[in-house]
Amino acid sequence: DQQVKQNSPSLSVQEGRISILNCDYTNSMFDYFLWYKKYPAEGPTFLISISSIKDKNEDGRFTVFLNKSAKHLSLHIVPSQPGDSAVYFCAASDAQAGTALIFGKGTTLSVSS
Amino acid sequence: DGGITQSPKYLFRKEGQNVTLSCEQNLNHDAMYWYRQDPGQGLRLIYYSQIVNDFQKGDIAEGYSVSREKKESFPLTVTSAQKNPTAFYLCASSIAPFAGNTEAFFGQGTRLTVV
Repeated sequence: DQQVKQNSPSLSVQEGRISILNCDYTNSMFDYFLWYKKYPAEGPTFLISISSIKDKNEDGRFTVFLNKSAKHLSLHIVPSQPGDSAVYFCAASDAQAGTALIFGKGTTLSVSS
Repeated sequence: DGGITQSPKYLFRKEGQNVTLSCEQNLNHDAMYWYRQDPGQGLRLIYYSQIVNDFQKGDIAEGYSVSREKKESFPLTVTSAQKNPTAFYLCASSIAPFAGNTEAFFGQGTRLTVV
């Protein structure tokens, strides 16, 4: 049973527009959430994180929103750039218990110029 | 430069053979992890270690073994018992087992192909 779900396998956006990637989780013990970006044949690179005590975290063009009651988080990229084209993984952990990150299946973002 | 190094980048194995994937980090991180990526499956946890000489099974540990004799090293052995070993393997490390605002840093991965 998947604990972290990314229900959209792919997303296409035009350059300059907003990209919104969504993620849902089922484990109410998760208290730390991260987004990673991954290119083919490379390791994922960390983008942005949020702890459960916050509902928003911003870093440049990237903003993550957390809705704990809905067990939902989203990553907003504004404005989107062609270099943002990659696979984006949502991950979660029970940081208090020190568990490993659990990843979603990823969403492939394509930004066209 | 501090980082996490996986070797080799590409590895070919004959059916029935064991093979060991290397993972070394010089970040002084306590925790290390092995994930496997298959198309459409995301990253699935194989094993993780929060401290030297200790490790725990992840979601798909069957057919794999690990050791953590040194803080810097966390090798993964893919045994002949692993039914579908062809995959992209990723090693990661973090300061502590995801306590607080710490993220995991990943290596560049090893592509294992069974021939």
